[in-house]
Amino acid sequence: GAVVSQHPSRVICKSGTSVKIECRSLDFQATTMFWYRQFPKKSLMLMATSNEGSKATYEQGVEKDKFLINHASLTLSTLTVTSAHPEDSSFYICSASTPMTSGYYEQYFGPGTRLTVT
Amino acid sequence: QKEVEQDPGPLSVPEGAIVSLNCTYSNSAFQYFMWYRQYSRKGPELLMYTYSSGNKEDGRFTAQVDKSSKYISLFIRDSQPSDSATYLCAVNQAGTALIFGKGTTLSVSS
Repeated sequence: GAVVSQHPSRVICKSGTSVKIECRSLDFQATTMFWYRQFPKKSLMLMATSNEGSKATYEQGVEKDKFLINHASLTLSTLTVTSAHPEDSSFYICSASTPMTSGYYEQYFGPGTRLTVT
Repeated sequence: QKEVEQDPGPLSVPEGAIVSLNCTYSNSAFQYFMWYRQYSRKGPELLMYTYSSGNKEDGRFTAQVDKSSKYISLFIRDSQPSDSATYLCAVNQAGTALIFGKGTTLSVSS
């Protein structure tokens, strides 16, 4: 299947600093990329939907000025957590979507990035 | 009512058992029904997807969708210790973001 990478896989940063997470579709072009957040033993919560060349659409309750999403190309989306605080510590997962001939849009998930803010 | 309900478990079974995992959903507009497997600290991996009602089989895994009752199931036959993971159901309409259940943690003991 298609491969989606995320970098870094794990990051520890100090409170008040910013962290950038990259999501790349390695062998396909993704029309849409999604960013999710997952707390321990909880489900994935959608943060935002990103289409290449357009502004991201954020879910209710997600601060767009805090979680900056850039989708500069069909293979790369970035999530920047600005002025990070300990409550931002979480597992961030991206997915990249591409249409199949059946009409189904398969979503391929990255391996996730574990962010710890101290 | 949440859009997708899934019992988080945990569910513990002996090796070789048949496992039944279930979800219910509230919006009849959903068209696609997925099951993902997630190992600890990893991203979800798609196991199967089903369009509309019916059954789909892939090896030891069978997915069932009953749109009339808004109920989706995943059956695992001859379960193996390597099946131990969290299983997430997800639903969506074409091209939209997935809506996930909470996930059921499964442990298969040898």
